Amino acid sequence: RKEVEQDPGPFNVPEGATVAFNCTYSNSASQSFFWYRQDCRKEPKLLMSVYSSGNEDGRFTAQLNRASQYISLLIRDSKLSDSATYLCVILYSSASKIIFGSGTRLSIRP
Amino acid sequence: ETGVTQTPRHLVMGMTNKKSLKCEQHLGHNAMYWYKQSAKKPLELMFVYSLEERVENNSVPSRFSPECPNSSHLFLHLHTLQPEDSALYLCASSQEGNSRSYNEQFFGPGTRLTVL
Repeated sequence: RKEVEQDPGPFNVPEGATVAFNCTYSNSASQSFFWYRQDCRKEPKLLMSVYSSGNEDGRFTAQLNRASQYISLLIRDSKLSDSATYLCVILYSSASKIIFGSGTRLSIRP
Repeated sequence: ETGVTQTPRHLVMGMTNKKSLKCEQHLGHNAMYWYKQSAKKPLELMFVYSLEERVENNSVPSRFSPECPNSSHLFLHLHTLQPEDSALYLCASSQEGNSRSYNEQFFGPGTRLTVL
């Protein structure tokens, strides 16, 4: 089993829809969790951190379920500009343990 | 200059060449990273320099050699590469706390490397 797994998609949804995707991880020693966004042929950029209690930033909601070992990202009222690849990132306490998921491609259609 | 810069943006090299990738961060961070991003694969962490210590990643072949002369600059020296090393090489930096908790990473635009 991979340490971090994401559904590669692509998710193709209409503008205005709500879309959610998960990222599962296998190592319970995971310390910190993040969602990054990567546009085509660009570098990844932090979208939001994921806190144990769940957190919201505008149309984006991130949640962590330690018991089931997954994090989720919910996007409400999706915009065309949300089209990108979303990467989950798991950090451990050791410096060399930073694991990126392979990404979920999201495409918003007009 | 702002953020994290990388040069060159594109590099084509033969298997017998020696070249270097350069990364510079203008954010005052104390940790820098090299990542490899191949098509259809997740980002792979290659090397970390954190709080002026290099963290080894034993799975990286010795034909890749990092150098961090100070907290703002990071190099990746390349020699006798293979075609399968062709990928996007991304540099990142972050500000790490005393507890070695790792925070937001800021990425450079990457160097697109092609090995012939």
